[in-house]
Amino acid sequence: DGGITQSPKYLFRKEGQNVTLSCEQNLNHDAMYWYRQDPGQGLRLIYYSQIVNDFQKGDIAEGYSVSREKKESFPLTVTSAQKNPTAFYLCSSGEDAGSNYGYTFGSGTRLTVV
Amino acid sequence: AQKVTQAQTEISVVEKEDVTLDCVYETRDTTYYLFWYKQPPSGELVFLIRRNSFDEQNEISGRYSWNFQKSTSSFNFTITASQVVDSAVYFCALSGDYKLSFGAGTTVTVRA
Repeated sequence: DGGITQSPKYLFRKEGQNVTLSCEQNLNHDAMYWYRQDPGQGLRLIYYSQIVNDFQKGDIAEGYSVSREKKESFPLTVTSAQKNPTAFYLCSSGEDAGSNYGYTFGSGTRLTVV
Repeated sequence: AQKVTQAQTEISVVEKEDVTLDCVYETRDTTYYLFWYKQPPSGELVFLIRRNSFDEQNEISGRYSWNFQKSTSSFNFTITASQVVDSAVYFCALSGDYKLSFGAGTTVTVRA
C-alpha cells in the first residue's frame, strides 16, 4: 500500500543532543513537508521541499534542518539549537508543490526531551 | 498571508446529536483549496474533504456535510447524528504559497 512511514513513533532526546526523524514515502510525490504540532496550536510548517535537492524554510525553521537527497525521503534533524523540541511531528507529501489534490500524512513522531 | 481561524476549541455532545464546526479563512488568492482533516487519538491526519474556491456547491457524504460560503470566507463542517467514533480533533486547512495553513483545531468529544 502506498503511504508515508514515519519512524520512530516515540523518541526521547537528552538536552544538547541532535536527533533525526525519518520520513519515507512510496507515493511518488514530488513535494514533502514537515509540521510541528503543539497542544492547542494546530500544525505549523517547519520545512518543505518541492523537488529533490531543494527545500525551503517554513514558519518555524529555527533549530531544525532537513535534506532531500532522494525523492522518497525527507529526514528532519532537530538540533540542540531548538530550545523547546518536545512536540508531535508530522510528515506530509503532495503530488507537487502547491498540490491541491490533497496531502497525505504520516502517523507522526512524538519527541520528548528528557 | 494565509490565515485559518477555528474559533471553537472544544465541543462536547451526546451521541446522536449534530455537531457543526466553524472555519473562517483569509487569503488574497483568487484560486485556492480548502480542506477538512480528522485527527483521531492515533495521531495520523485523515483527509475528509477538499473544496476549490470556484465550487460553492455544498455537499453531503453520509453523516458529513459541508457548507462553503465564499462571501463570508467560511467553510463549515457538520456531523449529523454523531457517534463515539467521531471523537477526534478536526482541522480546517487552506492551500496557498505551496503549503497548507491550518487552523488550531477543534476537539470533538462524543459521549455515549
